[in-house]
Amino acid sequence: NAGVTQTPKFQVLKTGQSMTLQCAQDMNHEYMSWYRQDPGMGLRLIHYSVGAGITDQGEVPNGYNVSRSTTEDFPLRLLSAAPSQTSVYFCASSLTRTVNQPQHFGDGTRLSIL
Amino acid sequence: AQSVTQLGSHVSVSEGALVLLRCNYSSSVPPYLFWYVQYPNQGLQLLLKYTSAATLVKGINGFEAEFKKSETSFHLTKPSAHMSDAAEYFCAVSDGGNTGKLIFGQGTTLQVKP
Repeated sequence: NAGVTQTPKFQVLKTGQSMTLQCAQDMNHEYMSWYRQDPGMGLRLIHYSVGAGITDQGEVPNGYNVSRSTTEDFPLRLLSAAPSQTSVYFCASSLTRTVNQPQHFGDGTRLSIL
Repeated sequence: AQSVTQLGSHVSVSEGALVLLRCNYSSSVPPYLFWYVQYPNQGLQLLLKYTSAATLVKGINGFEAEFKKSETSFHLTKPSAHMSDAAEYFCAVSDGGNTGKLIFGQGTTLQVKP
């Protein structure tokens, strides 16, 4: 029972490089989201998707792109990495976006931008 | 707008002592509240959730939380701390809209001393 799988677990980039953080879930969840976690700030929503082909911006979307071509996958793209994007990134999914649905989190991708 | 405040970024208790982690919320609609736990280098795991069915909510690993509307609080407790409880704990509230967004507190790191 894999749940939410994120790859890679660790990544170091140089400023200006681009990369894609992968997220996959095997629970047939409609709702998927990306958060970033920074010390003392909890988690902040970057982008979310309520189903295949539908995405929207969260609280801190600048510098990130997403797409949702399948129910299972929700990759996060950094277009031109900046040191301010050094963070831990979490992908989460839930059955629906209904407010009482608990979210299931992946183990995170720890990203450093030099 | 919804918000969450966790009082105390670090809490230290002795093994066997009471654990009390504080969470206060602000919400313009009836809130749905969650506690998540994060062990080192792992993702967030749901401890318990409040969805208005009962004010005292029991979760996993012996934790429970009581919803107090008059105090706008949802404090997390455990009668007897175990070394394995050392982790970071996050309180979160659903944003009440249709984004599925969770609004997280800043987190509280629990240290358990032998």
